[in-house]
Amino acid sequence: KAGVTQTPRYLIKTRGQQVTLSCSPISGHRSVSWYQQTPGQGLQFLFEYFSETQRNKGNFPGRFSGRQFSNSRSEMNVSTLELGDSALYLCASSTGTSGSVSTDTQYFGPGTRLTVL
Amino acid sequence: QQQVKQSPQSLIVQKGGISIINCAYENTAFDYFPWYQQFPGKGPALLIAIRPDVSEKKEGRFTISFNKSAKQFSLHIMDSQPGDSATYFCAASGGSSNTGKLIFGQGTTLQVKP
Repeated sequence: KAGVTQTPRYLIKTRGQQVTLSCSPISGHRSVSWYQQTPGQGLQFLFEYFSETQRNKGNFPGRFSGRQFSNSRSEMNVSTLELGDSALYLCASSTGTSGSVSTDTQYFGPGTRLTVL
Repeated sequence: QQQVKQSPQSLIVQKGGISIINCAYENTAFDYFPWYQQFPGKGPALLIAIRPDVSEKKEGRFTISFNKSAKQFSLHIMDSQPGDSATYFCAASGGSSNTGKLIFGQGTTLQVKP
């Protein structure tokens, strides 16, 4: 099976712009979780989608949003970019049927490196 | 209470030595404790995981030790090899508020010297 794919791999934007990142989960997986990785804050949970519904959300401002399509592909959007949004954005897919990570192992993609100038 | 604290931040070990990374948590609702390995330019990959009903789990050279009463768990890498040089993250999940969510430690950068 192909792994989790994320596009684009690298992105450079300027402050105030908005950006959309894409994640294609492993075939058959219906859950996609998004994480932000920075040197200072580490890996932080953004949100999780299952069957096109947001099932959980982390402590990020409303500028961060996401959605999931009927084919389980997911996008996240960041509006009004700030310098502090520079990070590696990771998505992870799982079957998602139980809602528990203990039974639905999360498999991570390679990430999208976002740089905000 | 949702935090997972990881130490040390960095670790240098000689080839063939034992690498030990420690994590501590507060939330007693956590019921799943995985370790992820991340190489530069890659996403984290699941290495090994444990549930609190067992005190130890071993897979090859990797062992998780789990102390439920102390709310601590650790990763031991036996016979460490240069190819093990990577960043290691402990994580935790569980409880109704953590659907689809992993809470990660801050990470440990391991360097294994040949």
